[in-house]
Amino acid sequence: SQTIHQWPATLVQPVGSPLSLECTVEGTSNPNLYWYRQAAGRGLQLLFYSVGIGQISSEVPQNLSASRPQDRQFILSSKKLLLSDSGFYLCAWSDGRPLHFGNGTRLTVT
Amino acid sequence: GENVEQHPSTLSVQEGDSAVIKCTYSDSASNYFPWYKQELGKGPQLIIDIRSNVGEKKDQRIAVTLNKTAKHFSLHITETQPEDSAVYFCAASKDQGAQKLVFGQGTRLTINP
Repeated sequence: SQTIHQWPATLVQPVGSPLSLECTVEGTSNPNLYWYRQAAGRGLQLLFYSVGIGQISSEVPQNLSASRPQDRQFILSSKKLLLSDSGFYLCAWSDGRPLHFGNGTRLTVT
Repeated sequence: GENVEQHPSTLSVQEGDSAVIKCTYSDSASNYFPWYKQELGKGPQLIIDIRSNVGEKKDQRIAVTLNKTAKHFSLHITETQPEDSAVYFCAASKDQGAQKLVFGQGTRLTINP
């Protein structure tokens, strides 16, 4: 069966520091991969998606970037975090069927 | 682009009663409508989904209805139980390949014993 791993679960970072969140999927090949952000009490906003290695589409302009160095690995990065980057970041995968989410990373920028 | 509105934002029902959550969407080209349940500190979990060629779908105590003409869909939970307490999200998309779901704002459902 397919599983998705996302880490770390929680992260506290100072403003201006770099960020790297990692997500890996097991049990499937060539999945579509997604990064969503959930602000407190809000819905989920799609940040990036990828249909293959090295293929990244950005949905909203922001301080973040994404990369897919391997088929089942998706990384969310920032060179310098802003206070507004705080939130709950969720990785998801799909193989044409429904999206499956990881358990998220709660990022607090101080 | 697509916009999904979800109501109510909070809902409290007595255990055993039914709960209904409603969503409207703006893009008539949307053809896929999933519902997710999110428990505290966890990622959303798919509970049921429906495609635009179907008007209703049931899975035990959970059902979803879709009205394409009015562009709205609803989640119905019958015989609610305490473990149904969570935040529920509706979503819509029109891309089956790269599935760019647009989510509603969520409904916090509380089941009172």
